[in-house]
Amino acid sequence: EPEVTQTPSHQVTQMGQEVILRCVPISNHLYFYWYRQILGQKVEFLVSFYNNEISEKSEIFDDQFSVERPDGSNFTLKIRSTKLEDSAMYFCASSGTGQIGFYEQYFGPGTRLTVT
Amino acid sequence: ELKVEQNPLFLSMQEGKNYTIYCNYSTTSDRLYWYRQDPGKSLESLFVLLSNGAVKQEGRLMASLDTKARLSTLHITAAVHDLSATYFCAVDSGTASKLTFGTGTRLQVTL
Repeated sequence: EPEVTQTPSHQVTQMGQEVILRCVPISNHLYFYWYRQILGQKVEFLVSFYNNEISEKSEIFDDQFSVERPDGSNFTLKIRSTKLEDSAMYFCASSGTGQIGFYEQYFGPGTRLTVT
Repeated sequence: ELKVEQNPLFLSMQEGKNYTIYCNYSTTSDRLYWYRQDPGKSLESLFVLLSNGAVKQEGRLMASLDTKARLSTLHITAAVHDLSATYFCAVDSGTASKLTFGTGTRLQVTL
């Protein structure tokens, strides 16, 4: 069964460093998302991406964040200068095959980001 | 702004008991999702409810949706320890749009 994959599973970085979190969405999906979950809290939407551009973003997704689909398979989230409060689990999700109907989002296993 | 609230936030129950988790949301939506999350793990899809009056059951869990009341319930029947996890409901804002998650209900089933 196709699944969303994410790498790395755990990333430790120092405050101020840049990090890139990688995701491989399900191959025929068209819509891509990033969510984050601070430990013990709810899951929060960051950004959605369709047709090579951002379709929606939250107030969390400020200028320090960017997303890219550098090739036909990867979808990345970059944080330019990490802060302690960026420590969280980051989930990638994908949906939508283009056929008419509703699009369920499928979540990856997550990347735990620890900023020290 | 869409708000999604769950209650209770924490639920400790004995094996064999029944209980219900409630999910209220603030704006019109016909689609509601329930997920399970084990500690440190990803989100496991449990149910997708696509219309008013939808009811789905899997094992000891049953979910329902009342779009008029903007309410979904997740009913647990005869709980077992393996059901211990955090349960989230989520609502979407339209086709292929973001999901807004509830606060989560941490369920602990004691022997």
